[in-house]
Amino acid sequence: DAMVIQNPRYQVTQFGKPVTLSCSQTLNHNVMYWYQQKSSQAPKLLFHYYDKDFNNEADTPDNFQSRRPNTSFCFLDIRSPGLGDAAMYLCATSRGLQVWNPLHFGNGTRLTVT
Amino acid sequence: KNEVEQSPQNLTAQEGEFITINCSYSVGISALHWLQQHPGGGIVSLFMLSSGKKKHGRLIATINIQEKHSSLHITASHPRDSAVYICAVPSLTDKLIFGTGTRLQVFP
Repeated sequence: DAMVIQNPRYQVTQFGKPVTLSCSQTLNHNVMYWYQQKSSQAPKLLFHYYDKDFNNEADTPDNFQSRRPNTSFCFLDIRSPGLGDAAMYLCATSRGLQVWNPLHFGNGTRLTVT
Repeated sequence: KNEVEQSPQNLTAQEGEFITINCSYSVGISALHWLQQHPGGGIVSLFMLSSGKKKHGRLIATINIQEKHSSLHITASHPRDSAVYICAVPSLTDKLIFGTGTRLQVFP
């Protein structure tokens, strides 16, 4: 089945130690999103790619970076994780940017920072 | 900025009950999404609707564009329906804004 896969499912990192989360998709969608979701809060968009075009949200800290080497893969890099970065990170894809395109989410990566 | 409010925040039901979750938003929109998030964290898109009503199995979503209101109904609720249900609408720049969700627990 076509799907969005996030690895790892759970990630533990130390304060200040760089970490990379990965997302892959078999849907061949143009758009890939990264969301951060803290406990009992709504998902917050960090950035998205439309093909190779990167779009950063204005309030996304510089500590968060992303790479999309090809259509299928997208990575979230946290350069120096702080305790406040502990959250669920959700990857999603859509065929296009228009809001009537359904979003397809992965199962998320839960990041713990010790 | 488009504000999204959901009610109730928490909902408990007995198996078989009819469930209604409400979503109100402040700015005119072209489409609204209903999403389901299970305890493990993954999110599933349930509906995207721009007018009227959609039905999928025991789930029904309605939207009233004039009143800026949408409802998600679950008929014959089941414990496996226990999840957080999230309404999402586009911002003025077409980015999705998510409500904080309604946590539903259905007991046998």
